[in-house]
Amino acid sequence: SYAVTQTPSVSVSPGQTATITCSGDKLGDIYVSWYQQKPGQSPVLVIYKDINRPSGIPERFSGSNSGNTATLTITGTQAMDEGDYYCQAWDSSVVVFGGGTKLTVL
Amino acid sequence: QVRLQESGPGLVKPSQTLSLTCTVSGGSISSGNYYWNWIRQPAGKRLEWIGRVDSRGNTYYNPSLKSRVSISEDTPKNQFSLKLASVTAADTAIYYCARAVDDSAYSLDYWGQGTLVTVSS
Repeated sequence: SYAVTQTPSVSVSPGQTATITCSGDKLGDIYVSWYQQKPGQSPVLVIYKDINRPSGIPERFSGSNSGNTATLTITGTQAMDEGDYYCQAWDSSVVVFGGGTKLTVL
Repeated sequence: QVRLQESGPGLVKPSQTLSLTCTVSGGSISSGNYYWNWIRQPAGKRLEWIGRVDSRGNTYYNPSLKSRVSISEDTPKNQFSLKLASVTAADTAIYYCARAVDDSAYSLDYWGQGTLVTVSS
């Protein structure tokens, strides 16, 4: 079955750029979505179809997907961006999630 | 604004069947091109997709859980439900219901608040 993997943790200083990656075989051939989850809360969609931001998501969130890697970039990271980030793909009618990346804003 | 709300027992005994219901407001589950999903998350672990029902009543399940899962819809009540049979402690998790757009991306745009189900005797 298809699988996607993420780096477990990323640390960034406020105002800097955070880069979170998601890897999978030929991942660039399918769409990737990204979710932010804060402690005790439900996941929130922050990027869909690789590059699109839902209404209400700040412009500092952006995405890309090519080859075997999808990337979520947070430009000008703020303390409120701390949380877990999950990538998600859809392959052969099965939804798969990455293991999550814990973003710490130091 | 679409809202989803999970409900059901928070404690289930081993070997029994877990049953949860998701009530949808702000939109009909029988219209539009959407998938209605169940997803779970054990404490400190990744999200796991359980399965879905679409607006036409068709279902699809995660192959790893397929033998134990059933998802159904009750369109008059605008609800869909999950049944997971023969549960063990490994099924202890927060269970979410969520909506996905029926396109090539399957983005989950609305989620319920989640409900904790503990499997214990």
